[in-house]
Amino acid sequence: EIVLTQSPGTLSLSPGERATLSCRASQSVSSSYLAWYQQKPGQAPRLLIYGASSRATGIPDRFTGSGSGTDFTLTISGLEPADFAVYYCQQHTSSPPTWTFGQGTKVEIK
Amino acid sequence: QVQLVESGGGVVQPGRSLRLSCAASGFTFSTYAMHWVRQAPGKGLEWVSLVSYDGSNKYYLDSVKGRFTISRDNSKNTVYLQMNSLGPEDTAIYYCARYNLATPGFDNWGQGTLVTISS
Repeated sequence: EIVLTQSPGTLSLSPGERATLSCRASQSVSSSYLAWYQQKPGQAPRLLIYGASSRATGIPDRFTGSGSGTDFTLTISGLEPADFAVYYCQQHTSSPPTWTFGQGTKVEIK
Repeated sequence: QVQLVESGGGVVQPGRSLRLSCAASGFTFSTYAMHWVRQAPGKGLEWVSLVSYDGSNKYYLDSVKGRFTISRDNSKNTVYLQMNSLGPEDTAIYYCARYNLATPGFDNWGQGTLVTISS
């Protein structure tokens, strides 16, 4: 079973700053099946990044995904007020079919 | 536009059963695999179950195997989650989500339905 570990648990930043979120897998993950989500309080998650680096429909270009193997990063350049939320990474393996989420990183206003 | 609307949540006693439904619209339901993902209060996301586009393949989180059953009715554009032998650890918001193979990820989510297991 692949475990995804996100760090840090909480990131305290000011609007305009850059956020760097890490997602580390316990074993190598296919980049094709690494995704990132944003979740705001009381709302369902929203897909931000799929395939480790492709932005989902309507996602602004200040969100950038990168990485491969066991180390993946979500970078938010120039934090806007709407970006303060919890972010989850997620991976999919085919044999057996499982979908796993990291424990989340909260980006809060400093 | 794509809409997923869950229903069926509520407060039930430990050991009892509950059936969740998710009504889909705005896309060709019969061509997509559908999932249930849950979130315990104040916790992270946890994948629960998948049903393939035609209902022929089903997969489960280990901790719900033998207790939960996923199914779908493509004539009604609805996916179900039958939950039996519920325990306090099953307390969560249950989301129905569409997994898009073209953009591998859960690209559409319902608003969730809260299941509370309490005596």
